[in-house]
Amino acid sequence: ETGVTQTPRHLVMGMTNKKSLKCEQHLGHNAMYWYKQSAKKPLELMFVYNFKEQTENNSVPSRFSPECPNSSHLFLHLHTLQPEDSALYLCASSQGTGSYGYTFGSGTRLTVV
Amino acid sequence: KNEVEQSPQNLTAQEGEFITINCSYSVGISALHWLQQHPGGGIVSLFMLSSGKKKHGRLIATINIQEKHSSLHITASHPRDSAVYICAVMWHEETSGSRLTFGEGTQLTVNP
Repeated sequence: ETGVTQTPRHLVMGMTNKKSLKCEQHLGHNAMYWYKQSAKKPLELMFVYNFKEQTENNSVPSRFSPECPNSSHLFLHLHTLQPEDSALYLCASSQGTGSYGYTFGSGTRLTVV
Repeated sequence: KNEVEQSPQNLTAQEGEFITINCSYSVGISALHWLQQHPGGGIVSLFMLSSGKKKHGRLIATINIQEKHSSLHITASHPRDSAVYICAVMWHEETSGSRLTFGEGTQLTVNP
């Protein structure tokens, strides 16, 4: 357990479904991130939140909708996904966006059928 | 953009062997991370370094800032070391501030 908890660990959803991924940290970090890891590719940054405010959207399609109600919680709402969105979605946190120390969650393995 | 290259992509070793994984990058950085990712997907930070060398148990990480190169060494490797090892560099981009760019990872398999 790293201090960053992601749920669920695995998710299978149809293309017409709506689901949400959850990330929670109680490390006192102010910055939280969503990353996507597709097979055989480096991690790709999706969204950055700093003090609950979105500071970066890395050209992510609108079928991915992040929400950060407070500095400890981060959600990724999913709707009308495509099979190519199947990937490992990782959440991370850090003290600030310029901080060197990142803590990663265990990820949610998403399969879109 | 900071290009991060790792080598080798795949590495198979026998238990007990000394292992080296390399990482090179193209733009000056403020810090470099070595991360370990197990088959379940979770990522654990092994080291964060900005100069010199760090050691933790059987793991050693070195960085040469002038040559823009880092190595991760594993001494007396063990099957439980089997994982993907990822190099990630923290650098400053003029328009968007601090960035973390990841290498593709090195898949290490240690056979008993």
